[in-house]
Amino acid sequence: GAGVSQTPSNKVTEKGKYVELRCDPISGHTALYWYRQSLGQGPEFLIYFQGTGAADDSGLPNDRFFAVRPEGSVSTLKIQRTERGDSAVYLCASSFGVGEKLFFGSGTQLSVL
Amino acid sequence: ELKVEQNPLFLSMQEGKNYTIYCNYSTTSDRLYWYRQDPGKSLESLFVLLSNGAVKQEGRLMASLDTKARLSTLHITAAVHDLSATYFCAVVTYNTDKLIFGTGTRLQVFP
Repeated sequence: GAGVSQTPSNKVTEKGKYVELRCDPISGHTALYWYRQSLGQGPEFLIYFQGTGAADDSGLPNDRFFAVRPEGSVSTLKIQRTERGDSAVYLCASSFGVGEKLFFGSGTQLSVL
Repeated sequence: ELKVEQNPLFLSMQEGKNYTIYCNYSTTSDRLYWYRQDPGKSLESLFVLLSNGAVKQEGRLMASLDTKARLSTLHITAAVHDLSATYFCAVVTYNTDKLIFGTGTRLQVFP
């Protein structure tokens, strides 16, 4: 596609439920990043992939958060037992590789009630 | 751990005026990015600065990088209303590709 695509654009869930957020990067981009942005804050790093492997997952807040990228393209961020504090915009970005410009998707607004 | 700070956090300026946004970071890095974010929108890349002394300009915006001082500036010349947005700098941790964002500067340009 022309840009980074994230689905759904909005997700409302109840506390304790499981959610999956999807990111479809720009074709040919090998690096893929996940960030979380709360209102009025800068994006907070979660994890990034080079190809299929997670190169750095040090930003994942706890073991309820997990992300995969099985074929080196689409990635899914999975959150188990959601908490109200997980509510934020989850942003995905991709790039051609190291040192290249990151292109961001429009984000998924997650609301945990 | 890399910390990235911007100042000011909020900037209200009149059209036609000049101003500078500052981005300080705490550890060695060799790459710095500037992004723009409009309300409710995602981030748009403005500049990538890859070396000490790098300067890039696009329209009324000019960014520079001083890796020795661990400082980048984003200079706005003759501001116009269309520049109203939040501006973020982001720094890559040395020897990794982890991009850490600053706190953001919310810019409001009024007539």
